[in-house]
Parts: sequence; C-alpha cells; structure tokens
Amino acid sequence: DAGVIQSPRHEVTEMGQEVTLRCKPISGHDYLFWYRQTMMRGLELLIYFNNNVPIDDSGMPEDRFSAKMPNASFSTLKIQPSEPRDSAVYFCASRPAGEGAEAFFGQGTRLTVV
Amino acid sequence: AQTVTQSQPEMSVQEAETVTLSCTYDTSESDYYLFWYKQPPSRQMILVIRQEAYKQQNATENRFSVNFQKAAKSFSLKISDSQLGDAAMYFCAYRVTQGGSEKLVFGKGTKLTVNP
Repeated sequence: DAGVIQSPRHEVTEMGQEVTLRCKPISGHDYLFWYRQTMMRGLELLIYFNNNVPIDDSGMPEDRFSAKMPNASFSTLKIQPSEPRDSAVYFCASRPAGEGAEAFFGQGTRLTVV
Repeated sequence: AQTVTQSQPEMSVQEAETVTLSCTYDTSESDYYLFWYKQPPSRQMILVIRQEAYKQQNATENRFSVNFQKAAKSFSLKISDSQLGDAAMYFCAYRVTQGGSEKLVFGKGTKLTVNP
C-alpha cells in the first residue's frame, strides 16, 4: 500500500489566491482527517469525515476554508482567498473503523502564502 | 476541554542510553486512547506506540515503552538503547469519542536529539 498520498508537497501562492490541497486516503479506511501544523499552535484538527460525510468541522478556522470528500478515495481542502497567516503544513490522515485503530498520516503539504 | 501537555520542548540523549519523554493530559472521560507519534525531519508522522486507557498494563514496542499512570493522567515514553534514527519530534496525543464526534488532541511536541 502506498499510504496516504498528499499533493502537492509544497505550495507557494500569493495572498488572495485560491489554494487546493489534495489527499488520497488508504483504501478501505473509513475515516479521513485534515490537520494543520504551525509552530505556534502545533497540530490542530480542522475537519474529519466518516464514510465521506463531514462529522466535525469545528476546527475549520474561517469560512475561507472548505473541505470536500466526493468519494472514498479523494478529499480536498480549499482556502479561498488565502492569507499569509494560513502558511503552515497541512496533513491528511486516514484510519480504518475501530476506536483503537491507528491513524496513518500523509507527508503533508507545506503551504506558504506571500 | 481536553489538553495534552509536553513539558519538555527539547531533550537530548547519548546514543545507547535511555531517555524518558513526559506527557500529561487533562480529561474527564474514563475511556480513551493515548498515542506517541514520531515526526522526523521528513515530516512524516509515524505511530510509535499506543495505550488503551482501560488497560493497566503498560504498552511496549521493542525499545519503546510507556509508563501510564491513569490516576495522575500521565503517559511518559521511554526509549531504551537510543539510536541516531530516533532523533525527531515526538508528539503525545489523546483520543476520545464524545457525542459521536472524535477528538484527537496533540501536545506541542518534544524535540529529541541523539548524540553519537
């Protein structure tokens, strides 16, 4: 298995532009999570899906952020318009059903908004 | 609110020696899971070890073991026979399901340096 695949690995964009981050979870995993990692705030859960349905989006910072999971093998996190304070590493993770199941993380997308 | 505290921003250890990373958490729940994740410079988050709160026995994975003190809400990670490849950021995390929603809360991390 190739693991959780995120693209792009790095993204540099100008303030005000739309940014779309992509994630392919591990096949068969029911849960998909989006996290943001910054030096100041550490790892924060933004949103997660169960069987493609958003369950908790209370971590999404603003209306500028949106996430979709149109099918079991693909999810996107979109920021529109982007701002410099959105600069961070964004991780996608997936895990199978079962409360003790391990979450597997992708390698993250480093986003820089200038 | 659930919080996870790692009081040691940085730690160092000599190769082949033992080091213990501290973690405390705050929760009113009785059923939850605790994890230690390793993040090397490659950024990949890798699970090191997990502990179910209802199990009294401390989890062990090869050179990695935990000291889980439920009453004290403490979950420390011990790395024995440290290797250069153990150098990384280590994150303690707590997971609970409340009202149908799952929360996985991470600490701020401890940077571990392994000296040859």
